[in-house]
Amino acid sequence: DAKTTQPTSMDCAEGRAANLPCNHSTISGNEYVYWYRQIHSQGPQYIIHGLKNNETNEMASLIITEDRKSSTLILPHATLRDTAVYYCIGRGSTLGRLYFGRGTQLTVWP
Amino acid sequence: DSGVTQTPKHLITATGQRVTLRCSPRSGDLSVYWYQQSLDQGLQFLIHYYNGEERAKGNILERFSAQQFPDLHSELNLSSLELGDSALYFCASSDGEQFFGPGTRLTVL
Repeated sequence: DAKTTQPTSMDCAEGRAANLPCNHSTISGNEYVYWYRQIHSQGPQYIIHGLKNNETNEMASLIITEDRKSSTLILPHATLRDTAVYYCIGRGSTLGRLYFGRGTQLTVWP
Repeated sequence: DSGVTQTPKHLITATGQRVTLRCSPRSGDLSVYWYQQSLDQGLQFLIHYYNGEERAKGNILERFSAQQFPDLHSELNLSSLELGDSALYFCASSDGEQFFGPGTRLTVL
């Protein structure tokens, strides 16, 4: 599974879009990019995943560059409840383990 | 609510003791994964079971073992506990995406 690199921390004003970057330059052609978040010691929560096309669901949008070496998770209207650690994970198999790095601590301020 | 349940929520025990953590997956999910989260190591994969069979092992200590029962619930057994085993233990069940339980916080004194 690909190694990913994320900024240690970011902050965002409530109501604004939060754009969380992730570099995964070693990702292989069949590996998906997954995003999870963990709110203060709760169990990690699945957000979204994609292969090469941009994806959107009720929680977020995922933009993957054409060369697939990086991606951005977008929370369109961040709220205080979005304060969490966000993990970007490269995953080659739907049955495989998840490799969690240190993630990005996103703090949404009022 | 992910649909995955874990018991107990908190566990406090002494060094040298043995404990069992329990996980009930979402209805219909055949896969159960166990992860450990400590302050210095982050979230680490321990072991994966699929329909009762062990599928993959991570950095799981020999003092730790797990099993998945015919009803698909899983138990993680931790023995000869050490102070460093204090951590959050999460299980996840999966039909593709992994859905995590609320965790068991283990404190070894």
